Amino acid sequence: NAGVTQTPKFQVLKTGQSMTLQCAQDMNHEYMSWYRQDPGMGLRLIHYSVGAGITDQGEVPNGYNVSRSTTEDFPLRLLLAAPSQTSVYFCASSSGRGLAFFGQGTRLTVV
Amino acid sequence: GQQLNQSPQSMFIQEGEDVSMNCTSSSIFNTWLWYKQDPGEGPVLLIALYKAGELTSNGRLTAQFGITRKDSFLNISASIPSDVGIYFCAIDDNYGQNFVFGPGTRLSVLP
Repeated sequence: NAGVTQTPKFQVLKTGQSMTLQCAQDMNHEYMSWYRQDPGMGLRLIHYSVGAGITDQGEVPNGYNVSRSTTEDFPLRLLLAAPSQTSVYFCASSSGRGLAFFGQGTRLTVV
Repeated sequence: GQQLNQSPQSMFIQEGEDVSMNCTSSSIFNTWLWYKQDPGEGPVLLIALYKAGELTSNGRLTAQFGITRKDSFLNISASIPSDVGIYFCAIDDNYGQNFVFGPGTRLSVLP
């Protein structure tokens, strides 16, 4: 029962570098999403997907790209990392009706 | 976007005490959710509420969907050390595609 798997768990980037945060789910959920968590601000939605080939922007999409080529995978790309993107990133998948399952998070520091 | 307010922001209680926290919004929603985040982990769903006035329990936790559909309450009875964490309320803004989270209530339980 893997659920939602995120890799890596920790990452340090230099300003201007790019990287991809991986997310995979084995529950055959149609809905997947990416959130960032900053102190005192809860979780804010970056991008989401309602199925393979379909993505849309959330509340804070700038600086991030996503694609959804399969039901299982929903990678998040940082194109030109900036210190403001230092955060904890969570991927979630959902079958609907609020029943979202979260990964363990990726702690990203941009220096 | 939608905004949820949670109170209190943080609380320190003695083991064995009961806890109450709430979540409010300026808009009406049809689904209210309560998640808990343990340190270093992703949020985990505690209770989902789908009907105004609904009262739902999950062990020592009880949550209510406010009759106005603009608020929700979470109560924890007889707190124990493992109740420590951040409690988030959330609403399902788009039929499972878009969850909006409150800023969280941080709970500390003193032995």
